[in-house]
Amino acid sequence: DIQMTQSPSSLSASVGDRVTITCRASQDIIKYLNWYQQKPQKPPKLLIFAASTLQSGVPSRFSGSGSGTDFTLTISSLQPEDFATYYCQQSYTTPLTFGPGTKVEI
Amino acid sequence: QLQLQESGSGLVKPSQTLSLTCAVSGGSISGDYSWSWVRQPPGKGLEWIGYIFLSGNTYYNPSLRSRVTISMDRSKNQFSLGLRSVTAADAAVYYCVRSEKDNFYDWGQGTLVTVSS
Repeated sequence: DIQMTQSPSSLSASVGDRVTITCRASQDIIKYLNWYQQKPQKPPKLLIFAASTLQSGVPSRFSGSGSGTDFTLTISSLQPEDFATYYCQQSYTTPLTFGPGTKVEI
Repeated sequence: QLQLQESGSGLVKPSQTLSLTCAVSGGSISGDYSWSWVRQPPGKGLEWIGYIFLSGNTYYNPSLRSRVTISMDRSKNQFSLGLRSVTAADAAVYYCVRSEKDNFYDWGQGTLVTVSS
C-alpha cells in the first residue's frame, strides 16, 4: 500500500493568513494526488484533483502543487469558512489511501 | 445535482454482518463511474473500503477483502455494502461516494454504525 503522510497534523492561523499543508507519498505517484476539506459532522469535499486542478466551484484562494512524492495545498488568504480538516488522497493505485489529515484551527 | 443517501443498520452486534445501502438520486447509477464506500472511525481518518463499476467488477481494500461485498442494483439505482464478522474496530461513519478515475466527487452525508452487543 502507498502510505500518505501530512504535515503539520494541526496548525493555528488567523483570517487572512497564507496557509500551506504538505503531503508526502511513500512512493512516486506522479500527479495522482487529491485534496479534500472536511468540516465537523460533514462529508469530505473534493477541492483539488490531479495535484493542481481546482474542482468546479472551489474558490481560487485554494491551490495545489507538486509531483512525485511531495505535494502542497496552499490557501492564499484564509477565510472563516476554511477552518476545517484537510486530507490528501492518492489516486495512483488501489488500495486508495488517504493522509491522516491536517486540522486548521483559529 | 447527484445526491447519495446511506441507509441501513446503525447498530450491529459483534460477529454479525453490517449491511448498508446507498440510494442515488438526481442521476443514473449506470454512468461511467465507480461507486465507492469510505469509512471514518469517530475522530479518525478516512479509509477506502472498495468500489464497484457498472460492469459489476469490484475492487476491495486488501485489509477488508475477506469480509466485504459491494453490489449494485441498477433497477433501484442503488448500491450496497456488506461487511461480515464485524468487531468494535468496524465502528465508523460509513460514506457512499461517486468516484471517477479514483477521485471521490460526490459524497453521501454518512451513516454512523455502532458495534455493540
